Amino acid sequence: DAKTTQPPSMDCAEGRAANLPCNHSTISGNEYVYWYRQIHSQGPQYIIHGLKNNETNEMASLIITEDRKSSTLILPHATLRDTAVYYCIVRVDPRNTPLVFGKGTRLSVIA
Amino acid sequence: KAGVTQTPRYLIKTRGQQVTLSCSPISGHRSVSWYQQTPGQGLQFLFEYFSETQRNKGNFPGRFSGRQFSNSRSEMNVSTLELGDSALYLCASRQGAGSSYEQYFGPGTRLTVT
Repeated sequence: DAKTTQPPSMDCAEGRAANLPCNHSTISGNEYVYWYRQIHSQGPQYIIHGLKNNETNEMASLIITEDRKSSTLILPHATLRDTAVYYCIVRVDPRNTPLVFGKGTRLSVIA
Repeated sequence: KAGVTQTPRYLIKTRGQQVTLSCSPISGHRSVSWYQQTPGQGLQFLFEYFSETQRNKGNFPGRFSGRQFSNSRSEMNVSTLELGDSALYLCASRQGAGSSYEQYFGPGTRLTVT
């Protein structure tokens, strides 16, 4: 079973920052937080991952709370192409464990 | 660099038949995983292969099997198809243990069982 809780859906205005929350209150010290997204009719796409420090790449930023019980994925300037289902995944030892997907958050970016 | 490719993209089979799906990973990637996606159950892990060996297996019946070849290409087979096997089957590849952890997914094969 997925170990994360996400809102089922969110809307965001085009050009604004999209902040997608994820609750993982039972996370263990050696578990990573991963984010993937799935655009309609495509396979999931890796976005970012982190252990305890905040992370940023060309796609997004990941903010993990100090107690690691929740995190937020930030898309700084959402575009219509960012409309997708976003999955937050908690994963121990990413080298050897499969991705366990929950239901994710359906983000709709509105013009 | 070419992405993960899956063939065929669409497939229609009859209940009781068997089916084989193919996945070609990104060049240099040695790990291939398979996932099933249905509206009711979402994305579920089937199995992972690394260097021709199955490393992990999800909670699916024995009718679902897979293999990996020496060139890292992988196939999955479903025997005695049931209506509930209708799904999008996704393949994902990554370089392997100790290196890049990100998995890159293909576009999937949409299987319809009638």
